[in-house]
Amino acid sequence: GENVEQHPSTLSVQEGDSAVIKCTYSDSASNYFPWYKQELGKRPQLIIDIRSNVGEKKDQRIAVTLNKTAKHFSLHITETQPEDSAVYFCAASDYKLSFGAGTTVTVRA
Amino acid sequence: NAGVTQTPKFRVLKTGQSMTLLCAQDMNHEYMYWYRQDPGMGLRLIHYSVGEGTTAKGEVPDGYNVSRLKKQNFLLGLESAAPSQTSVYFCASSPGPGTDTQYFGPGTRLTVL
Repeated sequence: GENVEQHPSTLSVQEGDSAVIKCTYSDSASNYFPWYKQELGKRPQLIIDIRSNVGEKKDQRIAVTLNKTAKHFSLHITETQPEDSAVYFCAASDYKLSFGAGTTVTVRA
Repeated sequence: NAGVTQTPKFRVLKTGQSMTLLCAQDMNHEYMYWYRQDPGMGLRLIHYSVGEGTTAKGEVPDGYNVSRLKKQNFLLGLESAAPSQTSVYFCASSPGPGTDTQYFGPGTRLTVL
């Protein structure tokens, strides 16, 4: 089955700086790569996703890049704000999702 | 439109007791999923369903059973709870297979003593 590795496990950034989270996957058949944000005590919520026919996608301060050859994808958050503090999960899917272990992002004011 | 709901929100069981977690969705989604979330391990798929009357095993199915008698409901059962099943359980649904967006319920926090 699919194996998704996510790094780093924790990330602390100064408000206004950028945050980058990286994930690798093992199954070359995976073709859908969503990112979820989970605030403390809440449900995971989709923030951005990318499909295998696209190399990069951007939505305001959030961007995701995908390198299918190397089997890795990354989440970039620019101009971080305190409300960006949360746990972020990457996932990869061919027909069902496999999640990374998560990255706890703390934005320092 | 409530989206995905889960019942109950919290539960404490003793070892050996049984219980059923209910997931309901009002989005007419075909696919439904049960995950468990443990610290440092992300979300792991327990069982899933690709339509009414169907179920399939996920990554960590042992100790759990599921049923999908109605399209809008997906039940997760623990026949004989064990402390290792202490976790937060999330249900999710999607219109189609894994390449469709999954929408999560609010979660059920289960403690097994």
